[in-house]
Amino acid sequence: AQSVTQLGSHVSVSEGALVLLRCNYSSSVPPYLFWYVQYPNQGLQLLLKYTSAATLVKGINGFEAEFKKSETSFHLTKPSAHMSDAAEYFCAVSEGNAGNMLTFGGGTRLMVKP
Amino acid sequence: ETGVTQTPRHLVMGMTNKKSLKCEQHLGHNAMYWYKQSAKKPLELMFVYNFKEQTENNSVPSRFSPECPNSSHLFLHLHTLQPEDSALYLCASSQAGGLYEQYFGPGTRLTVT
Repeated sequence: AQSVTQLGSHVSVSEGALVLLRCNYSSSVPPYLFWYVQYPNQGLQLLLKYTSAATLVKGINGFEAEFKKSETSFHLTKPSAHMSDAAEYFCAVSEGNAGNMLTFGGGTRLMVKP
Repeated sequence: ETGVTQTPRHLVMGMTNKKSLKCEQHLGHNAMYWYKQSAKKPLELMFVYNFKEQTENNSVPSRFSPECPNSSHLFLHLHTLQPEDSALYLCASSQAGGLYEQYFGPGTRLTVT
């Protein structure tokens, strides 16, 4: 069985500060990992994904994430927060080639202060 | 993003009503999904269809009945719902296989009165 834990349901940063959103996963097979963002009244949009290629993955809007197998982590970072980054962020894991079911974490709401 | 559309965007229904949610994808995908998003709960996968065949039913109550007539359309038929079924219902599509990301629609906000 696979699971995802996102530490911190709410994270607040100042504009221009580093964004760090934490994600730890559990999977019995080599995982595929995803970060999605959800803006108010919208569906989820893919930020980036890890599929066993490079461990440092770059995504849209300046976000990146690093897959660390030893730590079972896939934390999301952005060097400088922008007001438009305020949204809810979801980490998700899939079973890899064994299936296309995604298991989501509980989400982290990012607030950006001016 | 217009790759996955959902109608209606908002729905209010009584507990004795029957209604249907519709999802359509224009991305040429062969897998479609229904998710339930409730406040303060993780996103819950409800149903998965691969090549029009249901491959996953995540212990969803029978008052929710999915239908996938073709790879581009997915419906969720609702009847005798409960107030706790009020939530945002999201549809997604992808190529089949865990490697591929899912593309989400904007959701239907359902309120059961």
